[in-house]
Amino acid sequence: GAVVSQHPSWVICKSGTSVKIECRSLDFQATTMFWYRQFPKQSLMLMATSNEGSKATYEQGVEKDKFLINHASLTLSTLTVTSAHPEDSSFYICSARSPDRLGEQYFGPGTRLTVT
Amino acid sequence: AQSVAQPEDQVNVAEGNPLTVKCTYSVSGNPYLFWYVQYPNRGLQFLLKYITGDNLVKGSYGFEAEFNKSQTSFHLKKPSALVSDSALYFCAVSRGQAGTALIFGKGTTLSVSS
Repeated sequence: GAVVSQHPSWVICKSGTSVKIECRSLDFQATTMFWYRQFPKQSLMLMATSNEGSKATYEQGVEKDKFLINHASLTLSTLTVTSAHPEDSSFYICSARSPDRLGEQYFGPGTRLTVT
Repeated sequence: AQSVAQPEDQVNVAEGNPLTVKCTYSVSGNPYLFWYVQYPNRGLQFLLKYITGDNLVKGSYGFEAEFNKSQTSFHLKKPSALVSDSALYFCAVSRGQAGTALIFGKGTTLSVSS
């Protein structure tokens, strides 16, 4: 149980285009999801907290107009990278908090974004 | 502010030997501590957590961690390492109450040689 999926697993796009990444909780409902960014051989940095039915909470330094987050249902959150630039190339990982298990988060497999 | 430190970038052990991956934390209030493992180009897999209760926490794949409040440490251990344990390990702490966003350490690469 407690599976989180992400789609796509990898994507290549051109500078200036937008890319949408989906995060789904497959067998549980997630009122809260988190989006992280990971650079090669580095730690995960929290980008934003996504709450179902409300606006996302962004971390300091993360441009909310560039990284659009939508959490329209209890099983789906999306991250859209708008007007992508090569410096946006990274590994994006989402996680979902299960309401039944105190403190645990379940992570998706990640999405590798490359902007050319 | 909550923070986590993993002092070692890499830990090398021989297969069959015990392993320890170190983690220290700084929190205000009660700590909610976690260990996750990441394989190349993959997401994170949950290993174990400390919320409350026994200081020795047992988790997946034979791993365990000991919560030491006086030393503010939460070291990950395994009595006998396997080559398949080679991966990147992250210690994390909840930023606030349990279930809030996680603050991660920088990660420690574990390399187990045969």
